[in-house]
Amino acid sequence: EVQLLESGGGLVQPGGSLRLSCAASGFTFSSYAMSWVRQAPGKGLEWVSGISGSGLSTFYADSVKGRLTISRDSSKNTLSLQMASLRADDTAVYYCAKERVVSCGGGSCPFDYWGQGILVTVSS
Amino acid sequence: DIQMTQSPSSLSASVGDRVSITCLASQDVGVYLNWYQQKPGKAPKLLIYDASNLETGVPSRFSGVGSGTHFSFTISSLHPEDIGTYYCQQYDHLPSFGGGTKVEIK
Repeated sequence: EVQLLESGGGLVQPGGSLRLSCAASGFTFSSYAMSWVRQAPGKGLEWVSGISGSGLSTFYADSVKGRLTISRDSSKNTLSLQMASLRADDTAVYYCAKERVVSCGGGSCPFDYWGQGILVTVSS
Repeated sequence: DIQMTQSPSSLSASVGDRVSITCLASQDVGVYLNWYQQKPGKAPKLLIYDASNLETGVPSRFSGVGSGTHFSFTISSLHPEDIGTYYCQQYDHLPSFGGGTKVEIK
């Protein structure tokens, strides 16, 4: 059974940093591209970043480029999102999501499994 | 960036009704269009991928059609458990989602 479990969320001050993790199990982690998708309170879904299965290719939404860094550790089956220079509009539930097909590039395929989400609140 | 426009933003229908949602893309996305269902407090769930393909385990009352810039999603007979918010998502370029359609029971 595929499972994705996010951790690392919480309250952070504007300008601060936070690192999210997503522990994956139930599939061959290194074969699948992964993404982070966020949802501000009461709002819709926003794709944030994607990474290929190899980790060699990464992609970012314009709204987070230069501030958020996606990475993966296939030895630990873990996806990460390093968040810096955080702003109030980064406040959201962050989901990690698995892409549906092997050989997808990172944001280039449907998301067939999602974690339960983790809340990040940016506030003073 | 590709903008996705969903309509309506909300709807209320009776159990057994046929429900349809439209999604318009700001540029041609081919068939790289998915539909998700999200229930309150839960993660989204993939229902339809590549415009018209039913994800494994999803009931056949859900369907999707379209290509290019115009897509439709239909629930042929609304069930009580279908309440939630539905999102379209393109992945022809960097992924983007529509604004969502909240479906309620009348």
